[in-house]
Amino acid sequence: GDSVTQMEGPVTLSEEAFLTINCTYTATGYPSLFWYVQYPGEGLQLLLKATKADDKGSNKGFEATYRKETTSFHLEKGSVQVSDSAVYFCALSDLRTSYDKVIFGPGTSLSVIP
Amino acid sequence: EAQVTQNPRYLITVTGKKLTVTCSQNMNHEYMSWYRQDPGLGLRQIYYSMNVEVTDKGDVPEGYKVSRKEKRNFPLILESPSPNQTSLYFCASSSGEENNSPLHFGNGTRLTVT
Repeated sequence: GDSVTQMEGPVTLSEEAFLTINCTYTATGYPSLFWYVQYPGEGLQLLLKATKADDKGSNKGFEATYRKETTSFHLEKGSVQVSDSAVYFCALSDLRTSYDKVIFGPGTSLSVIP
Repeated sequence: EAQVTQNPRYLITVTGKKLTVTCSQNMNHEYMSWYRQDPGLGLRQIYYSMNVEVTDKGDVPEGYKVSRKEKRNFPLILESPSPNQTSLYFCASSSGEENNSPLHFGNGTRLTVT
């Protein structure tokens, strides 16, 4: 079945450092890919998405490119801030093979220190 | 404001005492779902609903019930809670019409069963 793998956390970075959180997926079809962010005490919220190969999603300085050849959707940000401290979830959705669910990765906790 | 509202945010109860966690969305979404989030286990789907009067089991449905009598509401019912249901619960909704329809999450309900 479809699955999502993320790099293990927690990740601790200094402010203004470069961030990469790796995400790879397994899917039989052509899924849409998402990054969700969960700030402390809150629910998940959509950070960015990409719907087809080579699409780049971007939001709040974060970017991720849908790479079909490497089945990856790595999250990047050039300069992190303390306010980016959160848990980040990679996810996929493919209505054609699994209409009933979104597949989430285990989440990567990020702490940014001043 | 478009949102998913869960209540209560925090709930402490005793084993066997029936409880209901409410979830309501104001976006006219057809798809709604319940998840539980546990350390080291990520997000696991409990139940989902693709429309009014249509519900189905997710990955961990044991010990839970749901109902979808109206489009906007999707309550989660624990008929006889047990300590292993202590968790953080999230309700989510989406339009479900396209592969790239994102999920909208509530802010969560932290349940403790003693």
